[in-house]
Amino acid sequence: DAKTTQPPSMDCAEGRAANLPCNHSTISGNEYVYWYRQIHSQGPQYIIHGLKNNETNEMASLIITEDRKSSTLILPHATLRDTAVYYCIVRPIKAAGNKLTFGGGTRVLVKP
Amino acid sequence: DAGVIQSPRHEVTEMGQEVTLRCKPISGHNSLFWYRQTMMRGLELLIYFNNNVPIDDSGMPEDRFSAKMPNASFSTLKIQPSEPRDSAVYFCASSWGENTEAFFGQGTRLTVV
Repeated sequence: DAKTTQPPSMDCAEGRAANLPCNHSTISGNEYVYWYRQIHSQGPQYIIHGLKNNETNEMASLIITEDRKSSTLILPHATLRDTAVYYCIVRPIKAAGNKLTFGGGTRVLVKP
Repeated sequence: DAGVIQSPRHEVTEMGQEVTLRCKPISGHNSLFWYRQTMMRGLELLIYFNNNVPIDDSGMPEDRFSAKMPNASFSTLKIQPSEPRDSAVYFCASSWGENTEAFFGQGTRLTVV
């Protein structure tokens, strides 16, 4: 699987947008970008995924650069409950199963 | 649906004892995953099943670990004999089809003393 690079930590202000970067410069054309988060003491939670186009759902927006070598997860109005570790994952479209390989993630602290 | 259900939530056992962790996936899901999480190594995929068949067990640390999925609604991860370095949080996850989101259980926190 292609590797991803994320900043180890970042702070953001409650009520403001949080922009989480991810570098995946070795991504191939048949790989998706997935985002998960893990709130303390809970299992990881799916947020969003995309291939080429930008995606939006009720939780977040995903912006993928045209060359697909990086992406940004946007939490439009961060709340204290968004404090978590956020994982950016590159996942083959058609793998032998649905293998999800987690890296180190970004530890996000939302401050009042 | 109640989501992915894992039991027990916490397990404390002595070194050398057998430990069995249990997982009930979401009804209708056909893929099941076992992960282990530690501070040092993060989230590691141990094994995953598709339609009850083990597809990739390359993440299983050693022969002391074994996993089974006798039917679509139940899976076990067994450690025999357990060692202190097996102490971790073990997560089970399930999904439907390929390239859909995986739903995780709340995990089992295992402590081997």
